[in-house]
Amino acid sequence: RKEVEQDPGPFNVPEGATVAFNCTYSNSASQSFFWYRQDCRKEPKLLMSVYSSGNEDGRFTAQLNRASQYISLLIRDSKLSDSATYLCVVNDFGNEKLTFGTGTRLTIIP
Amino acid sequence: SQTIHQWPATLVQPVGSPLSLECTVEGTSNPNLYWYRQAAGRGLQLLFYSVGIGQISSEVPQNLSASRPQDRQFILSSKKLLLSDSGFYLCAWSVQGARSQQFFGPGTRLTVL
Repeated sequence: RKEVEQDPGPFNVPEGATVAFNCTYSNSASQSFFWYRQDCRKEPKLLMSVYSSGNEDGRFTAQLNRASQYISLLIRDSKLSDSATYLCVVNDFGNEKLTFGTGTRLTIIP
Repeated sequence: SQTIHQWPATLVQPVGSPLSLECTVEGTSNPNLYWYRQAAGRGLQLLFYSVGIGQISSEVPQNLSASRPQDRQFILSSKKLLLSDSGFYLCAWSVQGARSQQFFGPGTRLTVL
């Protein structure tokens, strides 16, 4: 089983719609969680950290479910500029490394 | 503010040739440094990471090596490139300590022919 698993997509979503991605992780001791965004042929950039209580940043909401070992990202009122690959990232306890999922590709359709 | 530089941006090399990719970080001290490779259509694979000068941890067996001659300099090398070494090479840094997000450089796109 992969350490971090994501649905690769692609998700093709009309502009203005709401879209949600899930990601599961295998290590119950995982400590920190992030969503990164990667545009085509560019480096990944941090979108948001994921906190235990869930957190929101504008149109983006991230949630963590430790019991089921998954994190989610919800994008409301999607924009064309949201088209990108979204990477789920996990950091294990006492570890200086991050483990990246393979990413979910999102295309927003006008 | 902190910045991370990588060069070159693109590189085309013949099989069997050597490789040297450089990464430097500005605006921070004693960062953790990382080298990743992203092959076409695949996820990020951690190749090496370093928590200090001269300290290198290798994640996967391969014909690549890494060195950290200075606090904010990280070099990825190969003596003889293979076709399978083609990919997008990304350097990243983070503040020391777990739970820390990583910041990526612009990457080097390597094609081995």
